[in-house]
Amino acid sequence: AQKITQTQPGMFVQEKEAVTLDCTYDTSDQSYGLFWYKQPSSGEMIFLIYQGSYDEQNATEGRYSLNFQKARKSANLVISASQLGDSAMYFCAMREGTNAGKSTFGDGTTLTVKP
Amino acid sequence: DTAVSQTPKYLVTQMGNDKSIKCEQNLGHDTMYWYKQDSKKFLKIMFSYNNKELIINETVPNRFSPKSPDKAHLNLHINSLELGDSAVYFCASSQRPRETQYFGPGTRLLVL
Repeated sequence: AQKITQTQPGMFVQEKEAVTLDCTYDTSDQSYGLFWYKQPSSGEMIFLIYQGSYDEQNATEGRYSLNFQKARKSANLVISASQLGDSAMYFCAMREGTNAGKSTFGDGTTLTVKP
Repeated sequence: DTAVSQTPKYLVTQMGNDKSIKCEQNLGHDTMYWYKQDSKKFLKIMFSYNNKELIINETVPNRFSPKSPDKAHLNLHINSLELGDSAVYFCASSQRPRETQYFGPGTRLLVL
């Protein structure tokens, strides 16, 4: 079974609007971390935001926020006030337990921001 | 200062050749990784090292051999290159407790 599922291969959003990228995960560990990364067309992988399984508040970093619903095992990324530069591939990832190296990435969602 | 660097950035080579990719991180992280990203952009972990010790070795052909001379460096050597090895290879590093991974710029390998 997929550990990280991103069901939207591609998404479109109008500039200045908000968009939600979906991510669901599967783990039996109580302690885990969830991450979102951005990969623009230039190819580099950029860390955006982190949510720990024990964090009670949803993580926020500037225009990025993570809608963490533990019972539903979802960790959706919300980008507010989309900009043209947000057009990129977005990956959801999970670290299971506290062990280094046990990270799984989703298949990614390509976001296109329309002017 | 580049946090995670990889050399070379591009690598074009013939089938059957042997090649190496080097990775260095100056973040003081304990864990380093190699990932392969295929043409469909799927990102797959290949290896993970923690303080020079191999901790993850996914199902990767044994033509791929990682080497970590110290915790700041993780190199990848590939023997007898095949067409299917063409991909982007990313190095990354992370540190406890969060293990947020910081990626290098990638090495674009094309096997002809």
